[in-house]
Amino acid sequence: TQLLEQSPQFLSIQEGENLTVYCNSSSVFSSLQWYRQEPGEGPVLLVTVVTGGEVKKLKRLTFQFGDARKDSSLHITAAQPGDTGLYLCAGARSDSWGKLQFGAGTQVVVTP
Amino acid sequence: EADIYQTPRYLVIGTGKKITLECSQTMGHDKMYWYQQDPGMELHLIHYSYGVNSTEKGDLSSESTVSRIRTEHFPLTLESARPSHTSQYLCASSGYRKGSPLHFGNGTRLTVT
Repeated sequence: TQLLEQSPQFLSIQEGENLTVYCNSSSVFSSLQWYRQEPGEGPVLLVTVVTGGEVKKLKRLTFQFGDARKDSSLHITAAQPGDTGLYLCAGARSDSWGKLQFGAGTQVVVTP
Repeated sequence: EADIYQTPRYLVIGTGKKITLECSQTMGHDKMYWYQQDPGMELHLIHYSYGVNSTEKGDLSSESTVSRIRTEHFPLTLESARPSHTSQYLCASSGYRKGSPLHFGNGTRLTVT
């Protein structure tokens, strides 16, 4: 059983369209991180959200942490081919100090 | 540029061979991790270390072993490789604060024939 459920598993869109990726759990996290992984490389951190209800923006990417700190979303506005990659969410639980729980990821493909 | 290095990038090896996957980081991080990644599955933590001479097994049972003799080096060893060990192995490190972000290497793609 996955602690963190990501949806959708796969998303293919045209350049210029918007997309949203979801990360849901029944557990409460002290913080949640989003990573992007490109083929042949390791995941790279995009953002960390800590406070329930927090919204962070990174250029065309908007990250939101749910009020109850059990879920998060990533919204990309006007997607570009460079946004293509595997998006992973990872939660840090207060009872597992230092260890992150990862979701299975959402594969995003943006075609020109 | 990468501050955490994994070698080899790709390894194809026969069943029964002993292998060591290397991981080194130059950031002085105390905490290091090994994850296993398979398509469509979440990253599974197989080993972690909080510092020199500290190693713990992760959430996913693994027949591999690790050592942490130096802060910067965290090798993973399989004494007798099997086809079920075929996977992508990712090494990562992080600072000591709870919830610190992970810095990943580019992984080793292991295929056991």
